[in-house]
Amino acid sequence: EVQLLESGGGLVQPGGSLRLSCAASGFTFSSYAMSWVRQAPGKGLEWVSTLSDSGTSTFYADSVKGRFTISRDNSKNTLYLQMNSLRAEDTAVYYCAKGGKGGPYWYFDLWGRGTLVTVSS
Amino acid sequence: DIQMTQSPSTLSASVGDRVTITCRASQSISRWLAWYQQKPGKAPKLLIYKASSLESGVPSRFSGSGSGTEFTLTISSLQPDDFATYYCQQYNSYWTFGQGTKVEIK
Repeated sequence: EVQLLESGGGLVQPGGSLRLSCAASGFTFSSYAMSWVRQAPGKGLEWVSTLSDSGTSTFYADSVKGRFTISRDNSKNTLYLQMNSLRAEDTAVYYCAKGGKGGPYWYFDLWGRGTLVTVSS
Repeated sequence: DIQMTQSPSTLSASVGDRVTITCRASQSISRWLAWYQQKPGKAPKLLIYKASSLESGVPSRFSGSGSGTEFTLTISSLQPDDFATYYCQQYNSYWTFGQGTKVEIK
């Protein structure tokens, strides 16, 4: 079955760190760009970060640049998001998404169920 | 940065209605636009990519059109399963989502 499964969310204090993981299965993980998208409670979708299939190109939203790092381990079919210096406004459900091919960038054709990150003291 | 604006924010409709949602980009994005459906507590689901290409498995009552800066998502005959929030997304230059359109029961 083609699926993405996020883990690593939880409650963290402001200024703290957290690492999210996304385990992929059912497709050739190394052939696709992968992304993180978040959704604050009751709000819309916000793109966070994207990593190319080879891992050589990274992209970040201005809101997380310098604090978050996206990476992947193609041997483990896993995507990561290292989140440092967390703020209350980072509280959200974080989704992992697979890139669909075609175009200058990628649309997102498969999504995980999400993992909740809560930043609060 | 490219901004995406959807209208309306909320839409009240009945089963069987034809529904149209509009998405406008702050600059031309050619046809690099996707539409997603999201139900409460669930992950988004891809419906349309490249403005008008229907994702595999998505019912044919969903269709997309447009190019440049103006795009539409149309549901030809609204079904009970279609009550949800819909988002447009540009992928011409990085990625930006619209604010969402909630389709609710009239």
